Amino acid sequence: DVKVTQSSRYLVKRTGEKVFLECVQDMDHENMFWYRQDPGLGLRLIYFSYDVKMKEKGDIPEGYSVSREKKERFSLILESASTNQTSMYLCASSLTSGPNNEQFFGPGTRLTVL
Amino acid sequence: ILNVEQSPQSLHVQEGDSTNFTCSFPSSNFYALHWYRWETAKSPEALFVMTLNGDEKKKGRISATLNTKEGYSYLYIKGSQPEDSATYLCAFPMIYNQGGKLIFGQGTELSVKP
Repeated sequence: DVKVTQSSRYLVKRTGEKVFLECVQDMDHENMFWYRQDPGLGLRLIYFSYDVKMKEKGDIPEGYSVSREKKERFSLILESASTNQTSMYLCASSLTSGPNNEQFFGPGTRLTVL
Repeated sequence: ILNVEQSPQSLHVQEGDSTNFTCSFPSSNFYALHWYRWETAKSPEALFVMTLNGDEKKKGRISATLNTKEGYSYLYIKGSQPEDSATYLCAFPMIYNQGGKLIFGQGTELSVKP
């Protein structure tokens, strides 16, 4: 079974803090993704990575950066957290870039920025 | 910009009712169509990945059909049970080999009352 884990289920941070969300997958998947989910807006892609050290912007990259130094780990960084970044953050991975490859999701991190 | 539309946004049914909902996607450059189920407090999980026009897939009481020429897929649940309560997401691969990126619809939230 593919397992995607995220470092925290719940996180509370203050405005202006630097926040790191970590994601690890254990099945040697090439691709990794970071989404945020907000009521009424569905899953929106922040960044994705198709190889180590490679990253691509998604639909809403502003205010975020990412790091993929090892194949199994994909980090999302909020350089200076703001209240509008309060959200549920989901990490996912997929085996290869083929369109048939399903994504496997982590349990999510609910981030609150005060 | 590719749009993936789902309807209805939410659905409330009684236990035992059969129900269905729709995913609309661009009919040009079709590669695949994914369905995911997202239960509260869990991670989204893939239900089906559909690739062929006229394809029909089934998992227990849940089935899905695909019409690539007109750009829609239906998800059916026969004899809904409370454990079917979840948000059902469809997703469309952006471009072949673009890092496995998916465009998600906003989801249909299903609530099944005992």
